[in-house]
Amino acid sequence: KAGVTQTPRYLIKTRGQQVTLSCSPISGHRSVSWYQQTPGQGLQFLFEYFSETQRNKGNFPGRFSGRQFSNSRSEMNVSTLELGDSALYLCASSSPGQGDRKLFFGSGTQLSVL
Amino acid sequence: AQSVTQPDIHITVSEGASLELRCNYSYGATPYLFWYVQSPGQGLQLLLKYFSGDTLVQGIKGFEAEFKRSQSSFNLRKPSVHWSDAAEYFCAVGNAGGTSYGKLTFGQGTILTVHP
Repeated sequence: KAGVTQTPRYLIKTRGQQVTLSCSPISGHRSVSWYQQTPGQGLQFLFEYFSETQRNKGNFPGRFSGRQFSNSRSEMNVSTLELGDSALYLCASSSPGQGDRKLFFGSGTQLSVL
Repeated sequence: AQSVTQPDIHITVSEGASLELRCNYSYGATPYLFWYVQSPGQGLQLLLKYFSGDTLVQGIKGFEAEFKRSQSSFNLRKPSVHWSDAAEYFCAVGNAGGTSYGKLTFGQGTILTVHP
């Protein structure tokens, strides 16, 4: 089984631009979560989607948004980029129906905002 | 609100020595507890998890962790460290109830350096 795939792997943007990151979960997994990882704040939960519905949201401004498609693939969007948005964005998928709550993480998208 | 504290930012051990990484959590009910490992530039890999039952859990790569409710701790241990264990380790707590499977609260991480 293929793992969680995140694209692109690296991204460089300038302040004020917007960016879209993509995540393809493990086949059969219907839950996708997004995390932001920075040296200062560590790993912080952004949001979680299940069956195309946002189930939970972290404490981030409205510039951060996401969605999930019918094939469980997910995208997150950050509008009006700020320098502080530079981070590794990690996506994780899980299969809640199995009840074991394991999260499988992708390798992440490294976003640099200049 | 739930929280996780990993008191040690950086630990250095010699190859073959034993290892213990500390984790303390704050949670109002029975927590789901996890340890993850991250190599540079990579995602997180699950080492082990505790949901209920036996408080000593075994994981991959020879790691184990012990849940101590009275101390709100979930320390990770390995009897003999290998050079390939050098990485950053994260303790995390999840909600035992509800349906928020994907929301974990992570500690700040402990960087493990292994000397030959």
